[in-house]
Amino acid sequence: KAGVTQTPRYLIKTRGQQVTLSCSPISGHRSVSWYQQTPGQGLQFLFEYFSETQRNKGNFPGRFSGRQFSNSRSEMNVSTLELGDSALYLCASSRLAGSSYEQYFGPGTRLTVT
Amino acid sequence: DQQVKQNSPSLSVQEGRISILNCDYTNSMFDYFLWYKKYPAEGPTFLISISSIKDKNEDGRFTVFLNKSAKHLSLHIVPSQPGDSAVYFCAALFGANSKLTFGKGITLSVRP
Repeated sequence: KAGVTQTPRYLIKTRGQQVTLSCSPISGHRSVSWYQQTPGQGLQFLFEYFSETQRNKGNFPGRFSGRQFSNSRSEMNVSTLELGDSALYLCASSRLAGSSYEQYFGPGTRLTVT
Repeated sequence: DQQVKQNSPSLSVQEGRISILNCDYTNSMFDYFLWYKKYPAEGPTFLISISSIKDKNEDGRFTVFLNKSAKHLSLHIVPSQPGDSAVYFCAALFGANSKLTFGKGITLSVRP
């Protein structure tokens, strides 16, 4: 079955602009999480959505926001971009099946802020 | 406060031998533990997970062992292949609706 897909794969933006990233989870997965990956900080959790509701949030400023649609697709928005927002943004979809938990990552969106 | 620790930054093994990747954690409330493989500039690839109610889970060449009393888990890869060369991350989860907490990763090199 298809994996997690993210669009676009690459983005170049200017400081002060805003950006929207999109994620389609694995079919049947209702939970979508977003992470920021940088060489210095590693993988940092942004937020998680389940059934269109944000149920967990990391320590990022309010410029970072997201939403989830009824078909479980999710979008992440970053407003007033800063140079430090340059990173690989990863989306992950997860499912709990019995005593097994799995979380699969997409290929990421590489954002460069100039 | 680093709750998931991978204390060895790298490991080198011969092709065909066993690779043992270790991970320690401090929070006894973690419910699930996951292992990921990652190549540069790509997203992590899920390998295997284990529930805190189990002590072993196996999937093909990958086996994860969990020692709750020692707060330690390990990933065994047998036999190791050159294509296994990558960075491996251990991650832990508290509840099924929470964020993954990742270790810093360990670089595995499998020599032909």
